[in-house]
Amino acid sequence: DQQVKQNSPSLSVQEGRISILNCDYTNSMFDYFLWYKKYPAEGPTFLISISSIKDKNEDGRFTVFLNKSAKHLSLHIVPSQPGDSAVYFCAAKGGGGNKLTFGTGTQLKVEL
Amino acid sequence: DTAVSQTPKYLVTQMGNDKSIKCEQNLGHDTMYWYKQDSKKFLKIMFSYNNKELIINETVPNRFSPKSPDKAHLNLHINSLELGDSAVYFCATGLASRSDTQYFGPGTRLTVL
Repeated sequence: DQQVKQNSPSLSVQEGRISILNCDYTNSMFDYFLWYKKYPAEGPTFLISISSIKDKNEDGRFTVFLNKSAKHLSLHIVPSQPGDSAVYFCAAKGGGGNKLTFGTGTQLKVEL
Repeated sequence: DTAVSQTPKYLVTQMGNDKSIKCEQNLGHDTMYWYKQDSKKFLKIMFSYNNKELIINETVPNRFSPKSPDKAHLNLHINSLELGDSAVYFCATGLASRSDTQYFGPGTRLTVL
């Protein structure tokens, strides 16, 4: 049972435009959500997070939005840059322990 | 200095063998994790150790045994390797008091032939 889902395996965006990556979850006990970025042959690196008590968190070009009623979060990257091309994982924490439950990732390609 | 390191980076072995993957962190974190990323790219937690004590043990075959000799190391030993064990294994660390961010190692790609 996959509790965190990223339904788009890939996304292609032009440089300078906005990238929007989506994530849905089913477990209402999740209280913290994170986005990780992963380049090939490297481990995931933390990008941005949001607590369930907030609906938006912004850090430079990256903004995460949380819609608790819809159990949906999204990551906005604007403007997108070629260096943003990577796999983006959505992750959630909660319901006991510090373990992260990951989605299957979205491959973002930012084209020139 | 690499914050979270894993050795080896690549591991190719035959079915039935026993192998170990090592993880070391120099971040001073008190919690370490092992994750498995399978062929479908699904990243799933296996184990979590806090101050050398096993905290999380997901449904993992008992052929997998984590060992934490000290707070900076968490090794993963796998007995009687099977084809289905082929995956990328990631070590991660974090602070129990700050349960959001986890820092990942570069991964170990295990191929069982």
